[in-house]
Amino acid sequence: NAGVTQTPKFQVLKTGQSMTLQCAQDMNHEYMSWYRQDPGMGLRLIHYSVGAGITDQGEVPNGYNVSRSTTEDFPLRLLSAAPSQTSVYFCASSYSSQGARGNEQFFGPGTRLTVL
Amino acid sequence: AQSVTQLGSHVSVSEGALVLLRCNYSSSVPPYLFWYVQYPNQGLQLLLKYTSAATLVKGINGFEAEFKKSETSFHLTKPSAHMSDAAEYFCAVKLTGGGNKLTFGTGTQLKVEL
Repeated sequence: NAGVTQTPKFQVLKTGQSMTLQCAQDMNHEYMSWYRQDPGMGLRLIHYSVGAGITDQGEVPNGYNVSRSTTEDFPLRLLSAAPSQTSVYFCASSYSSQGARGNEQFFGPGTRLTVL
Repeated sequence: AQSVTQLGSHVSVSEGALVLLRCNYSSSVPPYLFWYVQYPNQGLQLLLKYTSAATLVKGINGFEAEFKKSETSFHLTKPSAHMSDAAEYFCAVKLTGGGNKLTFGTGTQLKVEL
């Protein structure tokens, strides 16, 4: 298994540009999520999905859109990039079922985004 | 609402010394608790997790953590630090029965010196 994969690894955008960060997992996980990591702030949840066709907002959703058309993929879209969105973005996935099996989230390697 | 507090954004220890990274949580219901490690320019890797079984949890790389309900704590320890332990460590909490949303602490950067 490749686990959770993210592309690209690095990206530089100009203010106002749009782009999509890709995330895919091959573990048949129902639950997928996007976090952003900023210095001194830990990881903050942007959006999450409990299954194909179902998404919901996390702690910091403004400026980001998501969709979940398949179990494997969970892309994150920036419609009009702003310097405040400069961050490292992590995608994660897990089983949704309760109990120990459902609790561990597996993280991708991250995308480092700079908005000028 | 649940939250996690990690005391000390930077911790420095000598190689061979005890590692102690502190984590306190607030939750109105029994939580699941996690420690993740992040090496430079990498994603997060699970070190260990507490899921209401044994209160002393052993993880990878010689780390362990003890869940203390009376102190609302889940501190991470390792008896003897190694240079390869230098990384950032995150404590996280998830409510039982509350879906899979994790709330992370702000992280502790561990430095190991010769």
